[in-house]
Amino acid sequence: DTEVTQTPKHLVMGMTNKKSLKCEQHMGHRAMYWYKQKAKKPPELMFVYSYEKLSINESVPSRFSPECPNSSLLNLHLHALQPEDSALYLCASSQKAMSGASVLEYFGPGTRLLVL
Amino acid sequence: QKEVEQNSGPLSVPEGAIASLNCTYSDRGSQSFFWYRQYSGKSPELIMFIYSNGDKEDGRFTAQLNKASQYVSLLIRDSQPSDSATYLCASNSGNTPLVFGKGTRLSVIA
Repeated sequence: DTEVTQTPKHLVMGMTNKKSLKCEQHMGHRAMYWYKQKAKKPPELMFVYSYEKLSINESVPSRFSPECPNSSLLNLHLHALQPEDSALYLCASSQKAMSGASVLEYFGPGTRLLVL
Repeated sequence: QKEVEQNSGPLSVPEGAIASLNCTYSDRGSQSFFWYRQYSGKSPELIMFIYSNGDKEDGRFTAQLNKASQYVSLLIRDSQPSDSATYLCASNSGNTPLVFGKGTRLSVIA
C-alpha cells in the first residue's frame, strides 16, 4: 500500500481567510513533504519534515505555515494568501528502498486551491 | 545548480509503437533516478526508479541509466492512448530532495 491521502480535494478561499490542508499516510514513512505545482510546471518543493522535525524550508512566505503533529499527519496552514498562490498543493512521503540510498517519494492526490 | 533537463514535447507516437523519453542531469553526485507519470489534473505517480547503470524493466516500461553520459531514459513499449500524460524525470543524492525536470508531454495517437 503506497497511499497518501489529502483533504480537501478542492478549496476556494478569499485573501483574508484562514484554512488548512491536511495530509495523512500510514506507511511508516518518516519524511513528509509539501509541494506546490502550477499548471505545466514540475512540482516545487516547499517544506520537508523528517522525523516530525522541519528539515527544509525553501524560503516559503510566512503566509504558509506547516505543522507535523505526528509521524502520520502533515498540515499546511494558509493565511492571507494571494491569487498567485492558486495552485495544486501536493503532499508526499518517502521511505528508503531496501537495496540502497534511493528515497522513493509517493504523492497524494493533491488539493487544488483557488485564491480569490 | 543541480538541473534535470527534459524535452517538453509534445512527443507524439502511434499506438503500439515504442515511446522514448529522455532526460539529462548536471549533478554527477546524483545517485537515484525516478520517472513519474502525471495525467492532466492529477498528481505524479511513481512508475520507475533506477540507480545502477544499465536497464531496468517492469512490464512495458524500461528505464535506462548511463552515469558516464549523465543520461536517463524511459522506454514505453506497445504504447497505448492511456499512456498519454506528462512524464517527469527526477534525481536525488541519497536523502536530498528530488530535483525534477520540467516534464515531457507524451501523446499516443490511436
